[in-house]
Amino acid sequence: GENVEQHPSTLSVQEGDSAVIKCTYSDSASNYFPWYKQELGKRPQLIIDIRSNVGEKKDQRIAVTLNKTAKHFSLHITETQPEDSAVYFCAASRDTGGFKTIFGAGTRLFVKA
Amino acid sequence: DSGVTQTPKHLITATGQRVTLRCSPRSGDLSVYWYQQSLDQGLQFLIHYYNGEERAKGNILERFSAQQFPDLHSELNLSSLELGDSALYFCASSPKMGGAEQYFGPGTRLTVT
Repeated sequence: GENVEQHPSTLSVQEGDSAVIKCTYSDSASNYFPWYKQELGKRPQLIIDIRSNVGEKKDQRIAVTLNKTAKHFSLHITETQPEDSAVYFCAASRDTGGFKTIFGAGTRLFVKA
Repeated sequence: DSGVTQTPKHLITATGQRVTLRCSPRSGDLSVYWYQQSLDQGLQFLIHYYNGEERAKGNILERFSAQQFPDLHSELNLSSLELGDSALYFCASSPKMGGAEQYFGPGTRLTVT
């Protein structure tokens, strides 16, 4: 079945450093790849997404890259701040022929001040 | 506030019982997704409805069922509850059938004793 693997499960960085989270998906028909941030006790919220016709997307300190051939996508956070501390989930879905959204297991990011 | 509402916020019940969780999507959104999040775990996709029709099923137990009504609200029914069903249940809504941002509700925390 469809699967999304996410690494690392835990990431600790110093404030100001960069953080990178990587995901690999199995369904080659997936064409939409969102990233969600979930703060403790709160709902997941979309922070950035990318579609399969784009290789990279950036929004201020956050960027996502996609390698369709390798079925691999990554989240990059630069100049990390303590408020970036949260659990980050990647996901893969498609807009045709089956509409599951499969989430990765999550990465718990700690940003130390 | 995402515009998605879920009731109740908390639910405590005994093993063997049946409960119903309710979700109202954002105005205009036709898709409703249900997810289960166990303690410190990821988001497990359960089921997806679009405009009243079931569109995709994940690892949803036979003891669980769902439906989406003509007014687009959705209910998730959990029966013969077991201790392991204790979790946070999220619904999310989206304007499209697939491949688009999902807006999560605040979740219903179910505790089975």
